[in-house]
Amino acid sequence: AQSVTQLDSQVPVFEEAPVELRCNYSSSVSVYLFWYVQYPNQGLQLLLKYLSGSTLVESINGFEAEFNKSQTSFHLRKPSVHISDTAEYFCAVSTLYNQGGKLIFGQGTELSVKP
Amino acid sequence: DGGITQSPKYLFRKEGQNVTLSCEQNLNHDAMYWYRQDPGQGLRLIYYSQIVNDFQKGDIAEGYSVSREKKESFPLTVTSAQKNPTAFYLCASHVGMRGPRSAQYFGPGTRLLVL
Repeated sequence: AQSVTQLDSQVPVFEEAPVELRCNYSSSVSVYLFWYVQYPNQGLQLLLKYLSGSTLVESINGFEAEFNKSQTSFHLRKPSVHISDTAEYFCAVSTLYNQGGKLIFGQGTELSVKP
Repeated sequence: DGGITQSPKYLFRKEGQNVTLSCEQNLNHDAMYWYRQDPGQGLRLIYYSQIVNDFQKGDIAEGYSVSREKKESFPLTVTSAQKNPTAFYLCASHVGMRGPRSAQYFGPGTRLLVL
């Protein structure tokens, strides 16, 4: 069985500072990894995903995540955050054997960007 | 535009009443999911369906029921047996077994409140 742990429930940071949201997973088989973002009172939006190939994946709004197989991690980073990045971020894992795309989610990390 | 719609945005339930949340998708996805979101608890899977006329219980199915008569539609009924229904409900879809490497896509959510 797979599991996902997001190590920080809340991350406060000042505008233009760098940020890292940590995600660790547990799985006995190869995984696919996802980061989703949720703005207040909205659904989840896919931010980026790792399926295979290059271990560094990027989103269109400056976030990046690196798949580290030896440390079973998929941390999300941004070198300079904006007020508009304030949201909740969810890490999720799937595998080829999770028929129908069933995802296992972490508990979420609230990113709060202060001016 | 392809996407997932959920209605209503807000729903009020009286004690002892059954209520139904609507979820429709025009993405031609085979698989659909219902999640419940409570503050600090992340997303918990209620029910999922990988094909029309078939569905499986998730982690917290008690007090809920679903149907999947059409590929596009996956309504969720919150029954009177669900004693603590106040939550944010999210519907998602996935291409299904045709695409294990694909992501889930989410609707905007329905907030259910008890009167």
